[in-house]
Amino acid sequence: GDSVTQMEGPVTLSEEAFLTINCTYTATGYPSLFWYVQYPGEGLQLLLKATKADDKGSNKGFEATYRKETTSFHLEKGSVQVSDSAVYFCALSGSGANSKLTFGKGITLSVRP
Amino acid sequence: NAGVTQTPKFQVLKTGQSMTLQCAQDMNHEYMSWYRQDPGMGLRLIHYSVGAGITDQGEVPNGYNVSRSTTEDFPLRLLSAAPSQTSVYFCASRLSGGRNNEQFFGPGTRLTVL
Repeated sequence: GDSVTQMEGPVTLSEEAFLTINCTYTATGYPSLFWYVQYPGEGLQLLLKATKADDKGSNKGFEATYRKETTSFHLEKGSVQVSDSAVYFCALSGSGANSKLTFGKGITLSVRP
Repeated sequence: NAGVTQTPKFQVLKTGQSMTLQCAQDMNHEYMSWYRQDPGMGLRLIHYSVGAGITDQGEVPNGYNVSRSTTEDFPLRLLSAAPSQTSVYFCASRLSGGRNNEQFFGPGTRLTVL
């Protein structure tokens, strides 16, 4: 079945540091790929998405590129802020119209001033 | 729009008690789902529904029941609570018919079973 693997955490960075969070997936067909973010005490919200190979999703300075050849969707940000401290989830949705979301385990990012 | 709302925010139960977690959305979304979030496990799908009157099991359905009598509401029932059901529960909804559609999540219910 479908699966998503995220790098182990937690991750602690200083403000303005470069961020990379790795995500790889296993799926049949042509899944859509997502990054969701969960701020402390809140539900998840969509950060960005990509629906086909070589698409780049971007939002709030974060970017991720759908790489079919390496089955990856790594999240990057050039300069993190304290307000980016949150839990980040990589997810995929299968090819069917009512396909379910499959999540990775999530990774906690802490950014210190 | 209120989006996806969940009640209660917090709940403590004793083993064997039953309760219903409420979920409602006002976006006319056909697809609704329930997840549980546990440390180191990510989010796991419990049950989902593609429309009123239609429900199906997800990855971890045991111990939970759902029904979908209206488009707006999707309650989750714990029939006999167990300590293993201590978790944070999230309800989510999205438009049906398109796998690219964004899922909207509620704020969660933190459940403790003693």
